[in-house]
Amino acid sequence: DAKTTQPPSMDCAEGRAANLPCNHSTISGNEYVYWYRQIHSQGPQYIIHGLKNNETNEMASLIITEDRKSSTLILPHATLRDTAVYYCIVRGSGGSNYKLTFGKGTLLTVNP
Amino acid sequence: GAGVSQSPSNKVTEKGKDVELRCDPISGHTALYWYRQSLGQGLEFLIYFQGNSAPDKSGLPSDRFSAERTGGSVSTLTIQRTQQEDSAVYLCASSGRTATQETQYFGPGTRLLVL
Repeated sequence: DAKTTQPPSMDCAEGRAANLPCNHSTISGNEYVYWYRQIHSQGPQYIIHGLKNNETNEMASLIITEDRKSSTLILPHATLRDTAVYYCIVRGSGGSNYKLTFGKGTLLTVNP
Repeated sequence: GAGVSQSPSNKVTEKGKDVELRCDPISGHTALYWYRQSLGQGLEFLIYFQGNSAPDKSGLPSDRFSAERTGGSVSTLTIQRTQQEDSAVYLCASSGRTATQETQYFGPGTRLLVL
């Protein structure tokens, strides 16, 4: 799977949009971009994933650049409960790509 | 609907004892995974079950670790003769029919502390 690079930490004011970047410059054509988050002392929570088109669900939006080398997770109106470590991962298909690995992620702190 | 559930949520045991950790996957999910997350560390894959296929046990760290999945649903991870280095959060996840591109949904984890 392609490696991802994320900033170690970010701050966001409550009610504002949180934009979390992820670089995955070595992504290949059949690899998806997934985002998970982990709130302190809880299990990882799936947020969203995409291949090349932008995606939106009830939690967030995922913007993938045209060359697919980077993406941005957008939490449109961050709340204090969104404080968590956010993980961007890239997963291919086939083989043993079901083995998820998380990097260091981005610690997002939402401030009142 | 109900998510992945795990029990117990916390387990404290003495070195040398055996422990059993349980995972109830999302109903209808055929794939089930166990991971381990040590303090400050990333996710470590342990084992994967998919339907009636032979499980992928390649991530189990030693022969003290074993897991089974009965009836294609509930899974139990057993650690025999626990050691202090086994202390970690044990996470279970499940996903739909095919594992390769189906999203994995995680349970809350079991926090194991071996004294």
